[in-house]
Amino acid sequence: AQRVTQPEKLLSVFKGAPVELKCNYSYSGSPELFWYVQYSRQRLQLLLRHISRESIKGFTADLNKGETSFHLKKPFAQEEDSAMYYCALSVRGSTLGRLYFGRGTQLTVWP
Amino acid sequence: EAQVTQNPRYLITVTGKKLTVTCSQNMNHEYMSWYRQDPGLGLRQIYYSMNVEVTDKGDVPEGYKVSRKEKRNFPLILESPSPNQTSLYFCASGGQAATYEQYFGPGTRLTVT
Repeated sequence: AQRVTQPEKLLSVFKGAPVELKCNYSYSGSPELFWYVQYSRQRLQLLLRHISRESIKGFTADLNKGETSFHLKKPFAQEEDSAMYYCALSVRGSTLGRLYFGRGTQLTVWP
Repeated sequence: EAQVTQNPRYLITVTGKKLTVTCSQNMNHEYMSWYRQDPGLGLRQIYYSMNVEVTDKGDVPEGYKVSRKEKRNFPLILESPSPNQTSLYFCASGGQAATYEQYFGPGTRLTVT
């Protein structure tokens, strides 16, 4: 069965420090991985997806199939990065489009 | 503007009083879904729909019903709400492909007393 694990519920860093939000998944096939972000009192929105291989707001994430990981990284955290981050997995096949979410990591960036 | 809307945004009700939370999208998406968000538990999927008249249970379907009679609408029905259904509910929609982004509604804060 598909599963997404985010081992850290809470993560705090100081402004300017590097940040890494961990995400591990279990899926036997070829997954599509995403990071969604939820700023305070706002709806979830897509931050980035692995297939795009892009950097959004300074964040990057690399899919490591050997370690089944998709960690989110930013070299210099900003206060406005404080938010809840969800890693999500989508699979091909009969449940096309269905997203499996991790439990989320609340990131706080201190000034 | 492409969007997912939910109504109501806030609702306080009593145990056992049937309620419906509406969800509508204007992007012609095949896939729609309902989630609940609880502290420490993250997002949990309640029901999802791959297309009109096609619905399936997510991870926490007990106590909920859905219907998908039209492509744009996906209402969530609580026939007999209980206090453990107090939560923040999100509707989402997306294209029917693994790589597609999902778009979320603004959320509905439900309190059952």
